[in-house]
Amino acid sequence: EPEVTQTPSHQVTQMGQEVILRCVPISNHLYFYWYRQILGQKVEFLVSFYNNEISEKSEIFDDRFSVERPDGSNFTLKIRSTKLEDSAMYFCASSHGRSLYNEQFFGPGTRLTVL
Amino acid sequence: QQQVKQSPQSLIVQKGGISIINCAYENTAFDYFPWYQQFPGKGPALLIAIRPDVSEKKEGRFTISFNKSAKQFSLHIMDSQPGDSATYFCAASSNNDMRFGAGTRLTVKP
Repeated sequence: EPEVTQTPSHQVTQMGQEVILRCVPISNHLYFYWYRQILGQKVEFLVSFYNNEISEKSEIFDDRFSVERPDGSNFTLKIRSTKLEDSAMYFCASSHGRSLYNEQFFGPGTRLTVL
Repeated sequence: QQQVKQSPQSLIVQKGGISIINCAYENTAFDYFPWYQQFPGKGPALLIAIRPDVSEKKEGRFTISFNKSAKQFSLHIMDSQPGDSATYFCAASSNNDMRFGAGTRLTVKP
């Protein structure tokens, strides 16, 4: 069964550094998303991406964050000038379409720890 | 602010009992209401979803009840099993912007 994959599973970085989190969405999906989940808290929407551009973003997705689909398979989240409060589990998700059939399939997550 | 409020925060149910989790939303533009199940160390997985043009949807032991006028919806798990023990998140979505509730940690005791 196709699945969303994410690498690395755990990333440790120093405050102020840049990190890139990588995702490989399901191959025939057209919409891509990033979410974060601070330990023990709710899942928070960051951004959705379609047709090579951002379609929606939340207030969390400030100018330190960027997303890119550099090739036909990868979808990346870059965080510049990382802060302690960026420490969280980051989930990538993808869906074939939107609206009623917008089942989003989530990857296993990347745990980001900022020291 | 687009918010989804979920309760209770945690729930303990005996095996065979009914688990009920409630959610309320504010933004009437939401047009898709999924429930996700999350096991420790895993990403959320879609359990069941509903659109606002129906009041109830049932899939196996899982039922969503939806009250559009009250802007509330709930998940009912019938005949709860220990394997249902997980964290459940309600969510509401419009235009690919999905907002999650705070989650309910369900424990089903054998």
